[in-house]
Amino acid sequence: KAGVTQTPRYLIKTRGQQVTLSCSPISGHRSVSWYQQTPGQGLQFLFEYFSETQRNKGNFPGRFSGRQFSNSRSEMNVSTLELGDSALYLCASSLVSGPSSGANVLTFGAGSRLTVL
Amino acid sequence: AQKITQTQPGMFVQEKEAVTLDCTYDTSDQSYGLFWYKQPSSGEMIFLIYQGSYDEQNATEGRYSLNFQKARKSANLVISASQLGDSAMYFCAMREGRPNDYKLSFGAGTTVTVRA
Repeated sequence: KAGVTQTPRYLIKTRGQQVTLSCSPISGHRSVSWYQQTPGQGLQFLFEYFSETQRNKGNFPGRFSGRQFSNSRSEMNVSTLELGDSALYLCASSLVSGPSSGANVLTFGAGSRLTVL
Repeated sequence: AQKITQTQPGMFVQEKEAVTLDCTYDTSDQSYGLFWYKQPSSGEMIFLIYQGSYDEQNATEGRYSLNFQKARKSANLVISASQLGDSAMYFCAMREGRPNDYKLSFGAGTTVTVRA
């Protein structure tokens, strides 16, 4: 079956611009999470959506937003880009939600690598 | 406080040998899950193995096994018979059992380089 698909894979923006990243989860997966990965901060949780509702949000400024559509596809948007937003943005989907069930394994996409100049 | 600590920034291992990657975690929850992921240079995070806090036996998946020591809050990954393709960054992660909180907390990662 198809994995998690993220588009675009690479993009370059300038400071002040905005960017929208897209994520298509594995078919049947209703939970989609986003993570930011940078060399300095490592992997940090951005937000998680389940059935079109944001259930959890990480410690990021309001410039970072997201949404999930009825087909479980998700987008995240970063407005007024800053140099520090340069990162690999990873999307992950999971089948069900619950604290420690093995079924809650996150399957990650290949990421969208954003460079802000 | 760091929820996941990986103390080994980088490791070298000879092909066909075993390697152990350390991971300690911090949580006050009774129910939690521990995960290991592999990230090759391509960037994609690949799930390797999962251990639930209530699982009495250590998890194993092929050449990967998880040495789970609950009292020590330790979840070390053992890769047996290393292969050149095992060269990658390895992340330990935890999901705690709080209601409506399903995020993973990741460690800083360990870079493994397998030598021929």
